[in-house]
Amino acid sequence: QQPVQSPQAVILREGEDAVINCSSSKALYSVHWYRQKHGEAPVFLMILLKGGEQKGHEKISASFNEKKQQSSLYLTASQLSYSGTYFCGTYYGQNFVFGPGTRLSVLP
Amino acid sequence: EAGVTQFPSHSVIEKGQTVTLRCDPISGHDNLYWYRRVMGKEIKFLLHFVKESKQDESGMPNNRFLAERTGGTYSTLKVQPAELEDSGVYFCASSQATGEFADGYTFGSGTRLTVV
Repeated sequence: QQPVQSPQAVILREGEDAVINCSSSKALYSVHWYRQKHGEAPVFLMILLKGGEQKGHEKISASFNEKKQQSSLYLTASQLSYSGTYFCGTYYGQNFVFGPGTRLSVLP
Repeated sequence: EAGVTQFPSHSVIEKGQTVTLRCDPISGHDNLYWYRRVMGKEIKFLLHFVKESKQDESGMPNNRFLAERTGGTYSTLKVQPAELEDSGVYFCASSQATGEFADGYTFGSGTRLTVV
């Protein structure tokens, strides 16, 4: 079992916005968001616990819908440094499972 | 505070050889996880320690993989004998709490394993 992410990949110009979605057929206990740059460790961005919750991290924010089955990550006015693969992750039982990832490329 | 430390950072071994990866979690973090990312694909769960006990090892691919965490501090992941498909980046992560109390995992930089 694994959360579903969309899109698989997105290419942006600097300054453009992007949305990455993470969804599950079952209500999620919580959703984590991570970003991994090529050759580096995944870095924790934020965690959402409550239905309807919204959180921000600089120009990166996320929401968790009321039914707790979908989370979206919003990247506003993207910068070159935003490039990387974004993973959502959640618990299925005792296991923490990552989504398949969304590769984001920001071009000058 | 020191982060999660993994070594070696890279390892190239021949098929059939043995390799041992090590992870030092953040001090005081009871929860330690091993993950693997193969060829740019998703990050796959391998196993989860709570202190020295294996909480869940359902993600371990087969019995060629052995993980230990003696004393509840650092952990090792041994692959013996290594096969070509074991190549990938092995990440370790630690957290103080888990489940709804987790505040996010801290990952090590990973060990890039190449089996030739």
